[in-house]
Amino acid sequence: LAKTTQPISMDSYEGQEVNITCSHNNIATNDYITWYQQFPSQGPRFIIQGYKTKVTNEVASLFIPADRKSSTLSLPRVSLSDTAVYYCLVSRDGNQFYFGTGTSLTVIP
Amino acid sequence: NAGVTQTPKFRILKIGQSMTLQCTQDMNHNYMYWYRQDPGMGLKLIYYSVGAGITDKGEVPNGYNVSRSTTEDFPLRLELAAPSQTSVYFCASSYGIGELFFGEGSRLTVL
Repeated sequence: LAKTTQPISMDSYEGQEVNITCSHNNIATNDYITWYQQFPSQGPRFIIQGYKTKVTNEVASLFIPADRKSSTLSLPRVSLSDTAVYYCLVSRDGNQFYFGTGTSLTVIP
Repeated sequence: NAGVTQTPKFRILKIGQSMTLQCTQDMNHNYMYWYRQDPGMGLKLIYYSVGAGITDKGEVPNGYNVSRSTTEDFPLRLELAAPSQTSVYFCASSYGIGELFFGEGSRLTVL
């Protein structure tokens, strides 16, 4: 599976848009890109998944360029409750899901 | 629906003891996983299963064993507990390439 690389931490003010980029240079044709959010003392929670171009749901957008070697999670107008660790995963066929170190996002009032 | 249920939530073991972490899901998912998460770190895949009777190793399988006799249950066995196994353990299930559903975690301390 492709290894993923993300920034270790990010800070943002409340109300701003936050973009977290993940690098996955060795992504394979069948791989999907999935993002999770984790609060302290809880299991990760699914945010969004995509294969290529752009995917949007009620909480986030996921941008994947044509070469699929990176992806960007976009969180619009973050609030204090968005302070969490965000993980980018490259997943294939439901067999194995490897989490990287994640990005710790701190939202500042 | 209960989703993914893990027991126990907390446990303290002495070095050399053994125990089983229980995991059950009621979503009829074929895929199930065990992860461990050390403080301040990401999740590491221990074992996974793609269906009843089928299991395979993940990144950090040493010191653990699993079984999958039914679709619902995926217990994780720790043999000869060591302080290095002090961690939070998460069980998860999935229907495929879609989202993982996680349990609330089991916090294990080995003294």
